[in-house]
Amino acid sequence: ILNVEQSPQSLHVQEGDSTNFTCSFPSSNFYALHWYRWETAKSPEALFVMTLNGDEKKKGRISATLNTKEGYSYLYIKGSQPEDSATYLCAFLSGNQFYFGTGTSLTVIP
Amino acid sequence: ETGVTQTPRHLVMGMTNKKSLKCEQHLGHNAMYWYKQSAKKPLELMFVYNFKEQTENNSVPSRFSPECPNSSHLFLHLHTLQPEDSALYLCASSPQGEGFVNQPQHFGDGTRLSIL
Repeated sequence: ILNVEQSPQSLHVQEGDSTNFTCSFPSSNFYALHWYRWETAKSPEALFVMTLNGDEKKKGRISATLNTKEGYSYLYIKGSQPEDSATYLCAFLSGNQFYFGTGTSLTVIP
Repeated sequence: ETGVTQTPRHLVMGMTNKKSLKCEQHLGHNAMYWYKQSAKKPLELMFVYNFKEQTENNSVPSRFSPECPNSSHLFLHLHTLQPEDSALYLCASSPQGEGFVNQPQHFGDGTRLSIL
């Protein structure tokens, strides 16, 4: 079983604040790193798929970076809005298996 | 709407019951997955099917029995479950083949299972 760690476990920010969280994964046998957004009572929704060291992806106010050599990825949210409140999951793909972190639960306070 | 439908959304069953969870996707994906989400734990991969063939079984107890009759449907048959099996069970699908590492998984909304 491979260890994928996400920090912090939970986060409360004020509306308008920018925030970021971390996903750490093994630096060997890397295939891809996925980020998902999971709102309560809904299904996880894919945000980014990252495969190359140094990758940077952006979708609106959300962006992510990838460092496969040291085994981490950052997710950034600029100008947080209440609708950004969700759990953010990362998943490390090695071979044919996805290994998920426990997620970072983000609450944006209006 | 992710294109992956799971039924039922909620299931309460006794330890001696037999029930099945169903997952359906019409996204043209060839890989389907069952995950278990227990409280405060990461999503745990249970089974993977590629082109209807089981390719992963992560030491799941035999009281969970998957079935994949075609690339669009996946079942999880449940028999004599234990209270610790109470969890959210998520189904997902993804494309397979060349370039699959660039493709995300598409998840259903899950089945919330409670064992009495």
